[in-house]
Amino acid sequence: GENVGLHLPTLSVQEGDNSIINCAYSNSASDYFIWYKQESGKGPQFIIDIRSNMDKRQGQRVTVLLNKTVKHLSLQIAATQPGDSAVYFCAEKGGGGKLIFGQGTELSVKP
Amino acid sequence: GAVVSQHPSRVICKSGTSVKIECRSLDFQATTMFWYRQFPKQSLMLMATSNEGSKATYEQGVEKDKFLINHASLTLSTLTVTSAHPEDSSFYICSARITGGGTEAFFGQGTRLTVV
Repeated sequence: GENVGLHLPTLSVQEGDNSIINCAYSNSASDYFIWYKQESGKGPQFIIDIRSNMDKRQGQRVTVLLNKTVKHLSLQIAATQPGDSAVYFCAEKGGGGKLIFGQGTELSVKP
Repeated sequence: GAVVSQHPSRVICKSGTSVKIECRSLDFQATTMFWYRQFPKQSLMLMATSNEGSKATYEQGVEKDKFLINHASLTLSTLTVTSAHPEDSSFYICSARITGGGTEAFFGQGTRLTVV
């Protein structure tokens, strides 16, 4: 079946450092991946996406890397700020356009 | 950007009653909407795909008679939790895709349901 998982459930970083959040997926046919940020009590917010024909995509302070060989996805956040503290989910587009979410990583930024 | 609104944001109901949650796309049309539930410290679990003008498609293990979905217009889908029990207490989240648009899904702010 389809499954998207994360290696680390929690991540604590110092303000100003870079953060790397990892995700493993199992469906090698997946062609679209998204990273979401979810703050407590709120719905997920889109951060960045990547298609399978790319291995890297950059946004503002964020970079997503895709390694199709090992079915691994990562989100890098540069100069992490206290406002980045949240739970981060990777999601994979499944059949019918539905999104399948990974376990989530809770990022805590220490001032 | 596209905005999806859920109502109510929080609801407390008595065991055995039914609760309706609304999901509205405010500035776009959404032929397809999705309903998720999320338990504390866990991921979002897809419950069903809501299709305008047709029956919802439920994920395996989700009781369609328990979680009634109606998508009567291109901007509104509703989820009704029937005969709610404490184990139905959860965070319910909807998302919507722009009709004829890309793959991106826009999420509502979620509804915290507590059944007492």
